[in-house]
Amino acid sequence: TQLLEQSPQFLSIQEGENLTVYCNSSSVFSSLQWYRQEPGEGPVLLVTVVTGGEVKKLKRLTFQFGDARKDSSLHITAAQPGDTGLYLCAGGPSGGYQKVTFGTGTKLQVIP
Amino acid sequence: DAGVIQSPRHEVTEMGQEVTLRCKPISGHDYLFWYRQTMMRGLELLIYFNNNVPIDDSGMPEDRFSAKMPNASFSTLKIQPSEPRDSAVYFCASSFRTGGRDEQFFGPGTRLTVL
Repeated sequence: TQLLEQSPQFLSIQEGENLTVYCNSSSVFSSLQWYRQEPGEGPVLLVTVVTGGEVKKLKRLTFQFGDARKDSSLHITAAQPGDTGLYLCAGGPSGGYQKVTFGTGTKLQVIP
Repeated sequence: DAGVIQSPRHEVTEMGQEVTLRCKPISGHDYLFWYRQTMMRGLELLIYFNNNVPIDDSGMPEDRFSAKMPNASFSTLKIQPSEPRDSAVYFCASSFRTGGRDEQFFGPGTRLTVL
């Protein structure tokens, strides 16, 4: 069973601060997605990374896939209240399509 | 384009009653997933289909849960009889796997409360 551990579980910061969320596993993934979920809604896909070492930027969000494709990080610069939500990473296993594994989640609160 | 559609958005029922949740995936997607989300256990995969065929139902909690996908545009998740511990938000998601990317598109969810 592939497990994805996210840290921290909870994060409360002031508007304008920077933060990093981590997603770690002992398994190799063919691709890794990051989702954001707001209260009362379903998770919404932010980005997919597929190549070891890949870095993708989405405005103030920077996503990185580990060289060994076992871990990933999400860095937010100058956080804003609109960034508040539950951040979930999800990994697609290598070697053929099987069920995607979702991480344990990081709940972010950005205080104005 | 319409996203994944789920109904109802909220369901309140009494213990022992049958509950049916409905999902319409995004047109052209060939995978459909049912998830359950709770504070304690996070997002759990219950079952998924590929081309309307159930592939893995190992996440279905017990025989009270069943899921069907009679065609490419419709799926149901049924709980019979329902119990208070089934209270959760149930999500349906669909995807079209291409180039090794496992991107899923989620519906808004059904919040189920079993009294």
